[in-house]
Amino acid sequence: KQEVTQIPAALSVPEGENLVLNCSFTDSAIYNLQWFRQDPGKGLTSLLLIQSSQREQTSGRLNASLDKSSGRSTLYIAASQPGDSATYLCAAIYGQNFVFGPGTRLSVLP
Amino acid sequence: KAGVTQTPRYLIKTRGQQVTLSCSPISGHRSVSWYQQTPGQGLQFLFEYFSETQRNKGNFPGRFSGRQFSNSRSEMNVSTLELGDSALYLCASSLDTYSYEQYFGPGTRLTVT
Repeated sequence: KQEVTQIPAALSVPEGENLVLNCSFTDSAIYNLQWFRQDPGKGLTSLLLIQSSQREQTSGRLNASLDKSSGRSTLYIAASQPGDSATYLCAAIYGQNFVFGPGTRLSVLP
Repeated sequence: KAGVTQTPRYLIKTRGQQVTLSCSPISGHRSVSWYQQTPGQGLQFLFEYFSETQRNKGNFPGRFSGRQFSNSRSEMNVSTLELGDSALYLCASSLDTYSYEQYFGPGTRLTVT
């Protein structure tokens, strides 16, 4: 069964800290992996898409890595800001089948 | 370019009723997927439509159905509503079935009383 887990479930950090969010998937035959951000009661905003042939993607203060062999992806956020507070979800993509993790709820304190 | 739009944004229904939710994908996108998000189960895939055909289906009862029109707009219908159907329903569009980056709408919050 294809499952995705995320650790930690919640994280609270002071502004300015660098942080890492973890995503693990059981089926390593993924096509791609996508990281999303979700603000309370809102839809999902795509942050980064890593194709299976890539090892990492970067966008501004965000860097995501993918290790298919170990079934893991990490999202690195540099110099965190209060505006980064949200729930971060990763999705393992198998064709058109998106399997989402439960998310990490991030709070960045000013 | 306009994003994915969903209507209505909020809906309150009574048990036993039926409901129809609408999704308009990004212009040029032909694939539309639907998801249910609840605090207990997280985000779960409902179904995906491409060129008016259902291509993939998640593990939901037959009360959940959908369709896609020739302009790629999609609707999902839930019949005989149950309390457990209360959730945020999200729609996502992508360029085609083989394009793996999805863009999500703001969702429809359905409350069943």
